[in-house]
Amino acid sequence: GQQLNQSPQSMFIQEGEDVSMNCTSSSIFNTWLWYKQDPGEGPVLLIALYKAGELTSNGRLTAQFGITRKDSFLNISASIPSDVGIYFCAGQRDAGGTSYGKLTFGQGTILTVHP
Amino acid sequence: NAGVTQTPKFQVLKTGQSMTLQCAQDMNHNSMYWYRQDPGMGLRLIYYSASEGTTDKGEVPNGYNVSRLNKREFSLRLESAAPSQTSVYFCASNRPGGRSYEQYFGPGTRLTVT
Repeated sequence: GQQLNQSPQSMFIQEGEDVSMNCTSSSIFNTWLWYKQDPGEGPVLLIALYKAGELTSNGRLTAQFGITRKDSFLNISASIPSDVGIYFCAGQRDAGGTSYGKLTFGQGTILTVHP
Repeated sequence: NAGVTQTPKFQVLKTGQSMTLQCAQDMNHNSMYWYRQDPGMGLRLIYYSASEGTTDKGEVPNGYNVSRLNKREFSLRLESAAPSQTSVYFCASNRPGGRSYEQYFGPGTRLTVT
């Protein structure tokens, strides 16, 4: 099936550092979403992007919808210990109403923050 | 307002046993989804239900069946469990209309098949 390539696979950083991760695809996506998963929990939506070139922030998180519609980026500024978890990108491919919101997920980036 | 709930939280099955994973949402969402999560694989769609009364296959449907019992509930059944079905299973739902791509997830069911 179609996959999104997410990188890096894991990151080990010090508290206070900034974090960047990205997601790429060989196909166009019309919506990009970023989720965070805490250990033992389900993914929680962080940011949704709906337009190519769009830049959206949610607190210390900023995400961008790539201009080619084949990639997206997530940045976390001034990381804190509770940022630990797995971050997933997800893409929604069809612009029309036929896909019923089906998402394709990246493999995830495991973030570890050392105090 | 509990959001998306899943039962059970943990389950161990022997090969060949059957079981049903339950999912319910109280957000009046039209669409519901079942995913499995395996290490390094992200989440893969098993089945989805665009609305009450309809179901359709996702990326990895083999070995599973689903039932959309009503608008609130969407169950996943393993008829004859196999070790390859050891995974974490997540149910999700979409809010109706507007930005319907934003899915909300339950806490997951951790299934081990021995």
